[in-house]
Amino acid sequence: GAVVSQHPSRVICKSGTSVKIECRSLDFQATTMFWYRQFPKQSLMLMATSNEGSKATYEQGVEKDKFLINHASLTLSTLTVTSAHPEDSSFYICSARDPPSASYNEQFFGPGTRLTVL
Amino acid sequence: AQSVTQLGSHVSVSEGALVLLRCNYSSSVPPYLFWYVQYPNQGLQLLLKYTSAATLVKGINGFEAEFKKSETSFHLTKPSAHMSDAAEYFCAVSKSGGYNKLIFGAGTRLAVHP
Repeated sequence: GAVVSQHPSRVICKSGTSVKIECRSLDFQATTMFWYRQFPKQSLMLMATSNEGSKATYEQGVEKDKFLINHASLTLSTLTVTSAHPEDSSFYICSARDPPSASYNEQFFGPGTRLTVL
Repeated sequence: AQSVTQLGSHVSVSEGALVLLRCNYSSSVPPYLFWYVQYPNQGLQLLLKYTSAATLVKGINGFEAEFKKSETSFHLTKPSAHMSDAAEYFCAVSKSGGYNKLIFGAGTRLAVHP
């Protein structure tokens, strides 16, 4: 149980284009999803917290208009990197939690998406 | 505010040797603590968690960690390392109680050599 998937696993795009990454909870309803960014050999940096049916809460320093997050259903959240540039190249990881895990803050992580912007 | 310090960005052990990965936390309120493992190009997998019950927590793959409030530590140990344990390990902290964010440490890369 508690499986989270991400799609695509890898994406290469040209500078200036937009890229959408999907995060799905496969066997549970995720009331909250999180989006992280991880640079090579570094830790995870929380970008935003997404609650189903409401606007995402972004961490300080994260551009809302650059990283659009939509959590339209209890099993799907999307991250769209708009007008991507090479500095947006990174490993993006989503996580999710359901009501039981929320009580002790456990998160279930997806496998990540490697974004390369040329 | 919460923070996590993982001492040692790289740890190398021989197969069969004790694994000790260090984690110290700072929290203004009682914390919940987690250890996650990440294999290359993958997401994170939970090894174990402390949520104010038993201070010695046993996790998957033979790992365990002990919550020591007096030392503000939550070190991860395994009696005998396997080659398959080679990975990146992250310690994370949150406030106790639900619906709180995780704050991650910088990570420790564990290498296991024959």
